[in-house]
This record gives sequence, structure tokens and C-alpha cells, in this order.
Amino acid sequence: DTGVSQNPRHKITKRGQNVTFRCDPISEHNRLYWYRQTLGQGPEFLTYFQNEAQLEKSRLLSDRFSAERPKGSFSTLEIQRTEQGDSAMYLCASSLAVASGGRGDTQYFGPGTRLTVL
Amino acid sequence: AQKITQTQPGMFVQEKEAVTLDCTYDTSDPSYGLFWYKQPSSGEMIFLIYQGSYDQQNATEGRYSLNFQKARKSANLVISASQLGDSAMYFCAMGVDNTNAGKSTFGDGTTLTVKP
Repeated sequence: DTGVSQNPRHKITKRGQNVTFRCDPISEHNRLYWYRQTLGQGPEFLTYFQNEAQLEKSRLLSDRFSAERPKGSFSTLEIQRTEQGDSAMYLCASSLAVASGGRGDTQYFGPGTRLTVL
Repeated sequence: AQKITQTQPGMFVQEKEAVTLDCTYDTSDPSYGLFWYKQPSSGEMIFLIYQGSYDQQNATEGRYSLNFQKARKSANLVISASQLGDSAMYFCAMGVDNTNAGKSTFGDGTTLTVKP
């Protein structure tokens, strides 16, 4: 069983550059989530998809962030005009939402992409 | 809005002993799920255990058990027979328990150190 994969694992960029991260979920999972985690804190929700539909986006997310899941499989998260405050670990998770909810929506995480903005 | 509080920034336990990691939550949703994750220094979040708000019994998964007290809004994780490999960050999280829900809300975590 292949878990959630994320690429790249590390990204160093200069302020003002655009970056794009990719997430490949567990193959049968219909939901995909993006979180951001800074040192010493828990993951903070950014956005999630059910199949190809983006169902929720955090109000904390600026317009510089955009996410897509064009065919309901992999997803990309793009950050435009990066700022030093964007430096964080970006986590992707996937789940299989079922009618009864509950444990079926347990999220399984990838290894994350660590972004450093210089 | 949902909120998770983990009041123990760091905990120490002797190898082979049991340890309890505290988690309290706040929500107005009648149906919800509570999760615990482990995050080793490698960074990957590992799912440990799930408790549904309407589950009658406390969840158990091997050495992990969840002490769920609904009236007190607490969902403490108990790790029995601690091992050196249990040293990690532990996060409590909550999700709304229906098919239209998505995001989970996480606490700020507890760092557990197992001493030999």
C-alpha cells in the first residue's frame, strides 16, 4: 500500500519567487488536504478537496496561495511572490470519506515539504 | 469554532512505564471525531487512534488507548509500556463527524521523551 507522497521534500527559494508543491494521495482516497506547520505548533488547515472540488479554503490563506486537484488525483499548491513568513512545513493528507463519516475520514499524512524563504 | 488544548508542552516517562498525554477540546458540533497523531523527528504525522463522540467505549489500538470523558470534554491518550521509539511529538486533533466536514483542528502538541 503506497502512502501519501509529497515533492519536493525541501525547497529553498528567494523572497518574491513562486513555488509549487505536489501531493499524491493514497490512490483510493477521495479527499485531499493541505496544512501548514510552523516550528513548535500543530498543523494549521489551509484547504481541502473532495475529488476535484475545492470545498473549503482557510480565511487565513492569502490570495498568493492557490491549490488545484484537476483530475481528482494529485494536487498542487502554489505560492506566488513568496515572503519570509511563508517558511514552514507544508503537509498534505488524504482520507476516504464515507457516508457514515467518523473514522472513515481519518487523515493520513505525507512526509511534508519544508519551505525556506530567504 | 473548534479548539484543541494540550497543556503539557513536554513530558518524560521511564521506559516500560505508562504515560498519559492530556487533551481537552471545545466544540458546538454534536457529532465529532477525536484523533491522536505521532510526529517523530523525521516530520511525518502518523495516525494512532480515533474516538467518535457517540462511541460508547474508549478506543484502543495496541499500546494506545484513549480515555474519553465527554462531559469533561477531554480525550487523553494513554501509552502503556513505553518504548524508546515512542519519543516524539504527539498531537490531538478534532474533526466534525459528517460527510461534509473536512478539516481537522490540531492542538500545539506534547513532546514525549522516553528515558532508558
